[in-house]
Amino acid sequence: NAGVTQTPKFRILKIGQSMTLQCTQDMNHNYMYWYRQDPGMGLKLIYYSVGAGITDKGEVPNGYNVSRSTTEDFPLRLELAAPSQTSVYFCASSPVLSGNTIYFGEGSWLTVV
Amino acid sequence: GENVEQHPSTLSVQEGDSAVIKCTYSDSASNYFPWYKQELGKGPQLIIDIRSNVGEKKDQRIAVTLNKTAKHFSLHITETQPEDSAVYFCAASRNTGGFKTIFGAGTRLFVKA
Repeated sequence: NAGVTQTPKFRILKIGQSMTLQCTQDMNHNYMYWYRQDPGMGLKLIYYSVGAGITDKGEVPNGYNVSRSTTEDFPLRLELAAPSQTSVYFCASSPVLSGNTIYFGEGSWLTVV
Repeated sequence: GENVEQHPSTLSVQEGDSAVIKCTYSDSASNYFPWYKQELGKGPQLIIDIRSNVGEKKDQRIAVTLNKTAKHFSLHITETQPEDSAVYFCAASRNTGGFKTIFGAGTRLFVKA
């Protein structure tokens, strides 16, 4: 009963480095999302996907890229990491696009120094 | 743009007391209103939700009320327990016109034993 699984859980990056946050779900959901949560703040949508091969920007997409080659996987790529990308990142999925429960992973804590 | 305002940002109650968290939304097309609980170091998890055709919904010690005319909805927790301590997020979502789920900024609830 894994649900949404994210890796890594913690990572420290140097400014200018790149990395990929991995996300996989086993609920056969078509819809997947990446959110970031800054300290004491709410959730901001970075990117989302409505199915394999289809992605779209959310509220705060700059500095990130995504791909969706399979239903299960939705990796988030950070290129040229900046201190402003220090945050907690949540991958999520849902059975429908809106109007229903969103299932979140446990989060990935990223610090850029 | 559309937003969801959530109050208070922090709430401290004595064990056994009630806690109320309020949210106001701006998108009149919103028709689904979930509440998520985020425990320390975890991803948000759905605890209760309500749809626009219902005014109130209850599940044991938690209840949610919705006033569509005033565009606000509230979470009520009765007989609070220390394990209720967490961050609570409200959200407003609609299932027309593409993806649109907006989260509130969150309320940190402390239940003192």
